Amino acid sequence: DADVTQTPRNRITKTGKRIMLECSQTKGHDRMYWYRQDPGLGLRLIYYSFDVKDINKGEISDGYSVSRQAQAKFSLSLESAIPNQTALYFCATSDAGTSGRTDTQYFGPGTRLTVL
Amino acid sequence: GNSVTQMEGPVTLSEEAFLTINCTYTATGYPSLFWYVQYPGEGLQLLLKATKADDKGSNKGFEATYRKETTSFHLEKGSVQVSDSAVYFCALSYRSSNTGKLIFGQGTTLQVKP
Repeated sequence: DADVTQTPRNRITKTGKRIMLECSQTKGHDRMYWYRQDPGLGLRLIYYSFDVKDINKGEISDGYSVSRQAQAKFSLSLESAIPNQTALYFCATSDAGTSGRTDTQYFGPGTRLTVL
Repeated sequence: GNSVTQMEGPVTLSEEAFLTINCTYTATGYPSLFWYVQYPGEGLQLLLKATKADDKGSNKGFEATYRKETTSFHLEKGSVQVSDSAVYFCALSYRSSNTGKLIFGQGTTLQVKP
């Protein structure tokens, strides 16, 4: 079984709809991240969480919100989807590393979201 | 600010050719450097990493050396295979504030033809 899972894998929705993307992990990591991937732009960080009570905005958080329901679950919501939120969304997890610095991040398979 | 720049793709090579994908970075302090690979339809997976200057990361025949003097972390492989066709991302993490964030380059698509 995959260590980091995302649901749904694909979603098509309409402008103005509320959408939730879910991420679960079995790696036991405290840190979880949401990224979006757009062609030619690489991955950009939306939100990250170091534990259940510690949630932080990334570089492109406008239009998104998150919820860390448990150590293993981190959800991303689009309250009112718009077409320029069409992208591939990835969840990732990491351990803190021995010195507290970022260690390897482990990615889920991604959710392809299309907003019409 | 901190940033990563990769060579433009796509890169198209014949099987068994030598591969170089250039990556340069701008960062304060001493970041860790990573190469991630994304195979078609999949998420990113770590290919290799280096945490300090002059370290060489290696995996699956790929290598990259952390060059502080040229702020580079170029990816190389001596003989590519069709199965290496994927998108490759260079990334850095920086220790300031222990934020744990990764900064990614824009990705370089590699296509290997038989």
